[in-house]
Parts: sequence; structure tokens; C-alpha cells
Amino acid sequence: DIQMTQSPSSLSASVGDRVTITCRASQGISNSLAWYQQKPGKAPKLLLYAESTLESGVPSRFSGSGSGTDYTLTISSLQPEDFATYYCQQYYSTPLTFGPGTKVDIK
Amino acid sequence: EVQVLESGGGLIQPGGSLRLSCAASGFTVSTYAMNWVRQAPGKGLEWVSVIGGSGGDTYYADSVKGRFTISRDNSKNTVYLQMNSLRDEDTAVYYCAKDRPSNTDYVPDGFDVWGQGTMVTVSS
Repeated sequence: DIQMTQSPSSLSASVGDRVTITCRASQGISNSLAWYQQKPGKAPKLLLYAESTLESGVPSRFSGSGSGTDYTLTISSLQPEDFATYYCQQYYSTPLTFGPGTKVDIK
Repeated sequence: EVQVLESGGGLIQPGGSLRLSCAASGFTVSTYAMNWVRQAPGKGLEWVSVIGGSGGDTYYADSVKGRFTISRDNSKNTVYLQMNSLRDEDTAVYYCAKDRPSNTDYVPDGFDVWGQGTMVTVSS
């Protein structure tokens, strides 16, 4: 099974800050990576897939990059509605696996 | 509008069985892979199972293999998760989620449509 890790597990940031979250796979996943945003009591929302392709309707301040085993999610200018938990997910092979999440809260 | 709606959750004793349903609208479940993902209280996301492709290939997480069965009824445009031999650690919100692209054969991808979830509590 492919294990996913994320760092940091949590961070505090201010509106307007640039935020970067890192995701690492235990083996290469050939850019088969998605990022999700989840707010309390709500279902996750797809932000990006194929490592860097923005899902329709997602603001362009979200971007993804990476290759092999290491990937990043960047929020270029944090907005009030972006405070949430973010998960990466590999879909290179089953069992599909998620990272443990990164909680972004207000500084 | 493309959406999915889960139902069937509830309180069940350890060792019991429960069947979750995921009713889809705005698309046909037979042309997309459909997943179940769960989230224990205060914890992260765990993928549970998928049924995908026109052939209905199925895959499971090791934690539920042999106890859970995913299926679909194309006439009802609904996906099911039959959960047997339930354990305390199966307590979670269970989400139904649609794979992003349509494929004849199952090719894993991101999940672009999620339901609101249904809570399953396993407790005596």
C-alpha cells in the first residue's frame, strides 16, 4: 500500500499570506494526486487533480506542483473562506490513500 | 444538477449488519466509478471501496475486506455498501463519492462529487 504523509499537520496564517502544504508518497505515484478542502461538518471538496489541474470553479489562487513522490499545494493569497483542513490523495493504485490532513487556521 | 445522497446510517451493535445506499442524480452510476470514503469522529479520510467501470470491478481497503460488499443497481441509479460483522472501529461518517472521469474500465481518479455523508455508530 502507498502511504501518504503531509506537513505540516497544522499551521496558523493570516489573510493574504502565501501558504504551502507538502504531501509525500511512500513510492512514486506519477502525478496521480488530488487535493481536497474540508470544512467542519461538510464533505470534502475537490480542488486539484493530476497534481496541478484545477477543478472547475476553484479559484486560481490554488495551485499544485510536484513529481515522483513529493507534491505541494500552494494558496497564493489566503482568503477567509480558505480556513479549513486540506487532504492529499493518491489514486495511482488501490487501495487509494489519503494524507492525514493539514489544518489551516487563523493566526 | 449532479449529486449523490447517502442514507441508511444509524446505531448498530458490534457484530451487526447495515446497508448504506447512495442515490445518484444528474448522471448514470454505471458509467462512473463510485466510491465509499469514511471519516471517524475527529479523524481523517479513509477510502473504503470502489465499484467501477462497465464491468463493475470492485476493490476494498484491507480494513473492510471480507466484511463489506459494494454493489450497484443500475435501474435505481444507486450504489450500496453492505456492511457485515461491524466493529467499534467502523464508527464513522460514510461518504459516497463519484470518480471524476467516465471510463469503460476502472481507472482510479479524484472524486469530484460527494454526498453529505451518513453516520454509522457501532456501539453496544
